[in-house]
Amino acid sequence: AQKVTQAQTEISVVEKEDVTLDCVYETRDTTYYLFWYKQPPSGELVFLIRRNSFDEQNEISGRYSWNFQKSTSSFNFTITASQVVDSAVYFCALSEAGRDDKIIFGKGTRLHILP
Amino acid sequence: KAGVTQTPRYLIKTRGQQVTLSCSPISGHRSVSWYQQTPGQGLQFLFEYFSETQRNKGNFPGRFSGRQFSNSRSEMNVSTLELGDSALYLCASSLLGGPGYEQYFGPGTRLTVT
Repeated sequence: AQKVTQAQTEISVVEKEDVTLDCVYETRDTTYYLFWYKQPPSGELVFLIRRNSFDEQNEISGRYSWNFQKSTSSFNFTITASQVVDSAVYFCALSEAGRDDKIIFGKGTRLHILP
Repeated sequence: KAGVTQTPRYLIKTRGQQVTLSCSPISGHRSVSWYQQTPGQGLQFLFEYFSETQRNKGNFPGRFSGRQFSNSRSEMNVSTLELGDSALYLCASSLLGGPGYEQYFGPGTRLTVT
């Protein structure tokens, strides 16, 4: 069965600090996709990144970076030099390229960036 | 390109009533998925429609139903509302849907059942 665990329910950091959001997933498929979404206070989920199971390269996009490690079934997200605008709930998600291809979300991590 | 739109944004209903929520996907997107978000259960998948056919369904009772029209717009219906149906209902559109395609979400409809 597929499962996504975001153990950090809530994190608070001071602006300009780096912060890492953890995501651990479970799947029996060899082909799967991992996502990160951001949900600001407005409520609309914003797509951040997609990674397929065959691509373990880390990715950097500005202040955002992602570390995908199949050996530990983790897909962690780091924000460098955090800003107040980064305050949001962040969701990690998984979909399997099998019969059941719906997307499963983790419970989310609420990130507070303090000025 | 316009994003995903959902109407209405807020809704208050009483127990036993039914409600219909609407979602217009991004132009050209053929897949529409619906999610229920609550503080306790988080984001839960309701169903996905592609080319007017329900392609996937989550673990929700039959009171939750949906449909998709030929222009890809989708509606979700909840009959015999219960207090526990109070939630943020999010619609997401995707080019083709299925695994691997990112979804673009609308602002949601916040439903309150009293």
